[in-house]
Amino acid sequence: AQSVAQPEDQVNVAEGNPLTVKCTYSVSGNPYLFWYVQYPNRGLQFLLKYITGDNLVKGSYGFEAEFNKSQTSFHLKKPSALVSDSALYFCAVRAQYSSASKIIFGSGTRLSIRP
Amino acid sequence: DSGVTQTPKHLITATGQRVTLRCSPRSGDLSVYWYQQSLDQGLQFLIQYYNGEERAKGNILERFSAQQFPDLHSELNLSSLELGDSALYFCASSGNQFGQGTRLTVV
Repeated sequence: AQSVAQPEDQVNVAEGNPLTVKCTYSVSGNPYLFWYVQYPNRGLQFLLKYITGDNLVKGSYGFEAEFNKSQTSFHLKKPSALVSDSALYFCAVRAQYSSASKIIFGSGTRLSIRP
Repeated sequence: DSGVTQTPKHLITATGQRVTLRCSPRSGDLSVYWYQQSLDQGLQFLIQYYNGEERAKGNILERFSAQQFPDLHSELNLSSLELGDSALYFCASSGNQFGQGTRLTVV
C-alpha cells in the first residue's frame, strides 16, 4: 500500500529565510511525487512533480523539491520565503504506471511566513 | 487559472437533501476526477470519469454518484445529505489541474 506523510502540521518561517516543508512516502516501485499549494478559499494549485531524472525539481513561484530515494523523501524548499507563500501545502504520491486516480495526498502542512 | 470550472462555489443545504455539483474540465482534457476535502478525512479521491465512462472509484459513498456527459462536463450528485458531508469538493482534469472547488455546508 502506498502512503505519504507530512510530519509537520505547521511550519513558521521569517520572511527572507529559507523554508523546508517535509514529505516522506511509501510506495511499491518507483514513485511519482507531487506538491500542491492551497490558498484560503481556493483550489489546489500544482507546484511541481518528480517523475524521473534529476533529483532536484524546480517548480512554480521559486519552489523546488529534492527527491531522495534512500530516505524516501521529497521535501519542498525555497531559498527565500515571502509572506505571500503562506498557505497550505500538500505532498502527494502515486506509483509509477499506476492510474492517476491512485494518487494519495498527505494531510497538509500549513506554512506561515512572518514579515 | 487551471481552466477547470466548478459551480457553484458555495452551497448551503439541509440534511436529507440532494445537491448537484458541476465541473467542466480544461479544454481538451477527457478525464474528470472528483475529490472531497474535509477536516477529519483530508483530501480523498472519490471517482474518475474518462470520456464519459467511469474509470476508477475511490472512497465514494453509495449516496453519492457522478456522471460525465458528451460535452465532457461532469456532475457529482450527493443525496440524503448528512452533516458529515460538509466539505470542499474538488474536481480535477488531466494534467493535475484542479478547479476552485465547491464548499458544501449541510445544516
